[in-house]
Amino acid sequence: DVKVTQSSRYLVKRTGEKVFLECVQDMDHENMFWYRQDPGLGLRLIYFSYDVKMKEKGDIPEGYSVSREKKERFSLILESASTNQTSMYLCASRSTGRAEAFFGQGTRLTVV
Amino acid sequence: GENVEQHPSTLSVQEGDSAVIKCTYSDSASNYFPWYKQELGKRPQLIIDIRSNVGEKKDQRIAVTLNKTAKHFSLHITETQPEDSAVYFCAATPDNYGQNFVFGPGTRLSVLP
Repeated sequence: DVKVTQSSRYLVKRTGEKVFLECVQDMDHENMFWYRQDPGLGLRLIYFSYDVKMKEKGDIPEGYSVSREKKERFSLILESASTNQTSMYLCASRSTGRAEAFFGQGTRLTVV
Repeated sequence: GENVEQHPSTLSVQEGDSAVIKCTYSDSASNYFPWYKQELGKRPQLIIDIRSNVGEKKDQRIAVTLNKTAKHFSLHITETQPEDSAVYFCAATPDNYGQNFVFGPGTRLSVLP
């Protein structure tokens, strides 16, 4: 079974803090994604990466950055957390040449 | 870029009835359309998908239809069961192996016993 694991299920951070969300996949997938999930808005893409050290902006990259130093790990960074970044964050991975994306269990981030 | 709309946002059906969720997309280059199911507190999981060279696909109680001319596709669930209660997301991508899916906003399906 493909495993996509996010480092935390729940996080509470203060406004202005730098926040790191980690995602690890164990199936040697080339492509990894970070989505934000909000009620009524579905899954919105923040950033994705198709290879180590490569990254592409998604639909809502403002206020976020990413890092992919190793193939299996994709990190989402909130440089200075704000209350409007309170949300559920989902990581996903997919193999090039295969259509199905596999999701992590999600991290519910609350910024106070 | 691609834009995916999904209706209805919420749907309640009696157990045993059918449920239909509809999506429209804007980019005529899209040719792969997956559906994901997300149960409460769980991760989204692929339940069925369809490619543009096919008009319909079935897998037991679920089916997906695609109308490329009208740019819409639908999920059909027959003989609904309580375990079908979840949020369903449609998605579209302009490449079978595309790097990004554009998701619809989701439909919360409740199957009432």
